[in-house]
Amino acid sequence: DAGITQSPRHKVTETGTPVTLRCHQTENHRYMYWYRQDPGHGLRLIHYSYGVKDTDKGEVSDGYSVSRSKTEDFLLTLESATSSQTSVYFCATTDYTSGNTIYFGEGSWLTVV
Amino acid sequence: GENVEQHPSTLSVQEGDSAVIKCTYSDSASNYFPWYKQELGKGPQLIIDIRSNVGEKKDQRIAVTLNKTAKHFSLHITETQPEDSAVYFCAAFETGGSYIPTFGRGTSLIVHP
Repeated sequence: DAGITQSPRHKVTETGTPVTLRCHQTENHRYMYWYRQDPGHGLRLIHYSYGVKDTDKGEVSDGYSVSRSKTEDFLLTLESATSSQTSVYFCATTDYTSGNTIYFGEGSWLTVV
Repeated sequence: GENVEQHPSTLSVQEGDSAVIKCTYSDSASNYFPWYKQELGKGPQLIIDIRSNVGEKKDQRIAVTLNKTAKHFSLHITETQPEDSAVYFCAAFETGGSYIPTFGRGTSLIVHP
């Protein structure tokens, strides 16, 4: 298994507060992704990165920002959390060096009350 | 961008039966089609994949077929067992290009003993 660690794994926060989720990888993969998983919607891409300081928006990016200052770390920030952002968030990585296999972290459960 | 449709959303079978999950994609540039299994409370894990230059691939009880002309690919599980019960996701993306994986909405497979 690829070394992908997400933190925190579980968090409850209040509406309007900022929240940062961290993804740390030890595989030196170039590509990193943040997905959210909701019932009936599968995995939807929030933001992705194709290198240090190179990021772009996915299909559900409103209300989220990301940063990647090092190859191994990809941060997802909810600028002002809303109840609609209650979800399970997955970080994923890939690279041609791993045969393009997408590796997922174990998920971060976020509840916004 | 890519659009991936996955059917059925729920599949219930008896132990020992076969199960088939189908996906269609829209972007002819996509050239890599992985399938993921997600167990409760965990991140998705790769179970099998296929590339656009191959029509079929097998790994023990699991097989994947790809029809590039029709833009669809399918997962076949034979001799199903209760431990096959999980959510399965298909995905499609262009390696060497956009590197943005798009996932189907998932199929909940239930295998009854």
